[in-house]
Amino acid sequence: GQQVMQIPQYQHVQEGEDFTTYCNSSTTLSNIQWYKQRPGGHPVFLIQLVKSGEVKKQKRLTFQFGEAKKNSSLHITATQTTDVGTYFCAGRGGNQFYFGTGTSLTVIP
Amino acid sequence: DARVTQTPRHKVTEMGQEVTMRCQPILGHNTVFWYRQTMMQGLELLAYFRNRAPLDDSGMPKDRFSAEMPDATLATLKIQPSEPRDSAVYFCASGWNGGGVYTQYFGPGTRLTVL
Repeated sequence: GQQVMQIPQYQHVQEGEDFTTYCNSSTTLSNIQWYKQRPGGHPVFLIQLVKSGEVKKQKRLTFQFGEAKKNSSLHITATQTTDVGTYFCAGRGGNQFYFGTGTSLTVIP
Repeated sequence: DARVTQTPRHKVTEMGQEVTMRCQPILGHNTVFWYRQTMMQGLELLAYFRNRAPLDDSGMPKDRFSAEMPDATLATLKIQPSEPRDSAVYFCASGWNGGGVYTQYFGPGTRLTVL
């Protein structure tokens, strides 16, 4: 069945280093969303990408949607301790919604 | 600042008991989602509603779980009878379906422990 996998599952970085998480779907998605969940919290919407090849930026965060609309990435430049949390991608294929497996980011001060 | 609210925030119960979780979506949102989150399985979509009608509940164990929206301000998720493997955090999320966009706003979750 449909799967949305994210890699890596865990990432530890030194504060100031960059971080990237990748999201891969087994089928084409109509759109991709990214969410951040702080430890003990709930997922919070970050952004949505709809167009093939789309790139969006939010301050130090850069989001990309692949040309085939089957993959996406989130890149954080110069991580800060406030970036700690789990980042999920979520996509819609038809009437189905799929959350990625998540990447847990730890930032070491 | 509009938010999704969920009650109770924590629930501890014994195996075999009925559990009811409630969600109040953001006013004006027409889509409601129920998710379950565990360390092993991550975020799993259980069911979702649009304009109070169930669109998909394929992720939900039908024999013991049921989800309803008695009105636009209340969504419920029931488990009867509950089992230890149901222990998880249950999130409700609401959103507005406009042009195929399904941005989801999550509630704080109900942490369920079944002993």
